[in-house]
Amino acid sequence: EPEVTQTPSHQVTQMGQEVILRCVPISNHLYFYWYRQILGQKVEFLVSFYNNEISEKSEIFDDQFSVERPDGSNFTLKIRSTKLEDSAMYFCASAAAYNEQFFGPGTRLTVL
Amino acid sequence: GQNIDQPTEMTATEGAIVQINCTYQTSGFNGLFWYQQHAGEAPTFLSYNVLDGLEEKGRFSSFLSRSKGYSYLLLKELQMKDSASYLCAVRDPLKGANNLFFGTGTRLTVIP
Repeated sequence: EPEVTQTPSHQVTQMGQEVILRCVPISNHLYFYWYRQILGQKVEFLVSFYNNEISEKSEIFDDQFSVERPDGSNFTLKIRSTKLEDSAMYFCASAAAYNEQFFGPGTRLTVL
Repeated sequence: GQNIDQPTEMTATEGAIVQINCTYQTSGFNGLFWYQQHAGEAPTFLSYNVLDGLEEKGRFSSFLSRSKGYSYLLLKELQMKDSASYLCAVRDPLKGANNLFFGTGTRLTVIP
């Protein structure tokens, strides 16, 4: 069964450093998403991406965040200058259309 | 804004039935999703309701009343592996075409 994959599974970085989180969505899906979940809290929407551009973004998704689909398979989330409060699990999701989203296993980001 | 409420924790016995409620107040509505999330893992899709009524899928059923802003997830013949968090998520088209807004989740513990 096709699945969303994410790398790395765990990323540790120093405050102020840039990180890139990578996702490979399900191959025939057209809609891509990033969510984050701070430990013990709810899953929060960050950004949605369709047709090579951002569809919507939340207030969390400020100028330090960017997304890219550099080729036909990868979908990346870049955090330019990480802060302590960026520590969270970051989930990528993809969908074929306006129906269920399939989530990847997540990248646990720890900012020291 | 979006307000999605679920009980924080529930406990139920193996073999029993449990109902997990979700109430929501959102600016718009275009579907309610239930996801299961085991600790440290990605959310996995369980069910989707957009019209009023009951959707049944094996041991899991989900009910929606749009006029009441209310849904429940019913789990029958509980198994130990059903111990997980159950996340209620609403799609609000006024806040993005296909973005999901999650509740805090209900942590279900199944005991022998």
